[in-house]
Amino acid sequence: GAVVSQHPSWVICKSGTSVKIECRSLDFQATTMFWYRQFPKQSLMLMATSNEGSKATYEQGVEKDKFLINHASLTLSTLTVTSAHPEDSSFYICSARAEQGALETQYFGPGTRLLVL
Amino acid sequence: ILNVEQSPQSLHVQEGDSTNFTCSFPSSNFYALHWYRWETAKSPEALFVMTLNGDEKKKGRISATLNTKEGYSYLYIKGSQPEDSATYLCAFSAYGSYQLTFGKGTKLSVIP
Repeated sequence: GAVVSQHPSWVICKSGTSVKIECRSLDFQATTMFWYRQFPKQSLMLMATSNEGSKATYEQGVEKDKFLINHASLTLSTLTVTSAHPEDSSFYICSARAEQGALETQYFGPGTRLLVL
Repeated sequence: ILNVEQSPQSLHVQEGDSTNFTCSFPSSNFYALHWYRWETAKSPEALFVMTLNGDEKKKGRISATLNTKEGYSYLYIKGSQPEDSATYLCAFSAYGSYQLTFGKGTKLSVIP
């Protein structure tokens, strides 16, 4: 149980285009999903918290107009990188919050590697 | 800014050796410490969620301990196997927050 899928797994695009990444919880409902970014040799850094039916909460330094997040259902959140530039090239990974007994944990998708040319 | 440190950054062990690595985290406002195992091209897999000082959890040959007062957790692997090769991540969550703050991970390579 607690499987999260992410699509696409990798994408190469031209500078100026927009890229949409989907994150789905396959066997559970997730009221909260998270989007992280990882640059080489760095830790996973939280970009935003996505709540179903409401606006996402962005971390300091993350442009909300550039990284559009939509969480329209309990099993799907999307991240759109608008007008992507080479500096947006990174590894993007989502997670979905679920309860594990009395404790909560996050279950991760496999990530999306974005290369902007 | 919360600081979560993991050491070593990487290590190589022979098959059959036991090994351990460290995660240090802020001791104030602690809620939970998470360990994940991340194989290349796969999703990070949740190993343990630990909340109580002195807690020890075990899953097969892998175990973890927690010291919330001094802010560290150890992950132990007994009798390492090649399939244990992965990056092991720890993440800290503060009281009242769902957010996880991750360390950079320890990359383990088990040599057959």
